[in-house]
Amino acid sequence: DAGVTQSPTHLIKTRGQQVTLRCSPKSGHDTVSWYQQALGQGPQFIFQYYEEEERQRGNFPDRFSGHQFPNYSSELNVNALLLGDSALYLCASSWSWSYEQYFGPGTRLTVT
Amino acid sequence: AQSVTQLDSQVPVFEEAPVELRCNYSSSVSVYLFWYVQYPNQGLQLLLKYLSGSTLVKGINGFEAEFNKSQTSFHLRKPSVHISDTAEYFCAVTEGANNLFFGTGTRLTVIP
Repeated sequence: DAGVTQSPTHLIKTRGQQVTLRCSPKSGHDTVSWYQQALGQGPQFIFQYYEEEERQRGNFPDRFSGHQFPNYSSELNVNALLLGDSALYLCASSWSWSYEQYFGPGTRLTVT
Repeated sequence: AQSVTQLDSQVPVFEEAPVELRCNYSSSVSVYLFWYVQYPNQGLQLLLKYLSGSTLVKGINGFEAEFNKSQTSFHLRKPSVHISDTAEYFCAVTEGANNLFFGTGTRLTVIP
């Protein structure tokens, strides 16, 4: 049973560019959450998707957007990249009725 | 508003010694509490959780934590640490909306 998978593992982008990160949830899970973890910090909640809709959102600008597909996989898009967007982006999946989230290995984004 | 405080950013401890990692939270309502571990260049792994019931919860790898509502604390303990326990530990809280609020983490270093 595969756990949460994310791609790519690492990514280097230039300031002003756009990036798309991908996540496949753990088998059976229908809810996907995204977190940003800056160096030396705890993860911060970006948003959560359920039934292909954004169910909840943290304190992140509109440059951060997402999508959930019918197979429950998800994408995180970030437009107009800033140097401060450099971080580890974590995807977590869960059942909609559960508080327990399973995390993927993350995508390390570096903005130069 | 929810928040989590991990008072110790770094905790060095000798192998086979006991350890306690402290976590305090603030919330105006009932909460659900979690401890996650992050090994270098990896995602987060759930160590243990408190949802309801017994205030002493046991997790994986010999860790346990005690929920203290009056002191709004959820400290993590292990009676005897191993070298393999060296990692970053995060305390997290949710009021039930599924988005986790994380502390800034405690780096546990086990000294041979």
